Amino acid sequence: SQQGEEDPQALSIQEGENATMNCSYKTSINNLQWYRQNSGRGLVHLILIRSNEREKHSGRLRVTLDTSKKSSSLLITASRAADTASYFCAPGSTGANSKLTFGKGITLSVRP
Amino acid sequence: DTGVSQDPRHKITKRGQNVTFRCDPISEHNRLYWYRQTLGQGPEFLTYFQNEAQLEKSRLLSDRFSAERPKGSFSTLEIQRTEQGDSAMYLCASSATGINSPLHFGNGTRLTVT
Repeated sequence: SQQGEEDPQALSIQEGENATMNCSYKTSINNLQWYRQNSGRGLVHLILIRSNEREKHSGRLRVTLDTSKKSSSLLITASRAADTASYFCAPGSTGANSKLTFGKGITLSVRP
Repeated sequence: DTGVSQDPRHKITKRGQNVTFRCDPISEHNRLYWYRQTLGQGPEFLTYFQNEAQLEKSRLLSDRFSAERPKGSFSTLEIQRTEQGDSAMYLCASSATGINSPLHFGNGTRLTVT
């Protein structure tokens, strides 16, 4: 398994603006997942993009994957104060028994 | 789907004491994971089960840590002779079998060792 490296470490934006978060990884993946964590809570799965997909949407979320650059981005459009949280990417390596590992994440603050 | 539940939510213990945490996964999920998270860090993998079999244990996990999943249902994580460095949030997650199935996390047990 491998962990993703998220960038930036922290991001502060105004409500209504878009937030873009990036993730890089090192070796081939089966898929890549994004999770959100509100303070004091467990992680919540947001979206999974498979290695043969380039873009995926879910509500205000848009995820892209560039396997040639080994990178992914998560875009949150029209951000809300409730989007304030930590965000983690988790590259899913090939192998039936591989597990997800997490980096330090991105702390997103959305100012009302 | 009642989600993953963890008990207790908070535990304060004195150094040297043993503690045990419980995790009840989503009932149809075969896989169960334990992670540990300290402030400002991402979750760190500890161990995982497929049904009742413990398939992997982190090398970072000392012999003071043990996990069980009898009958492939709930799981317990025990820490013996706790140390102050064990203070952290302990997260449990479950998933269906399948390559990198999404994890469903509980809200964790926050351990404070004084």
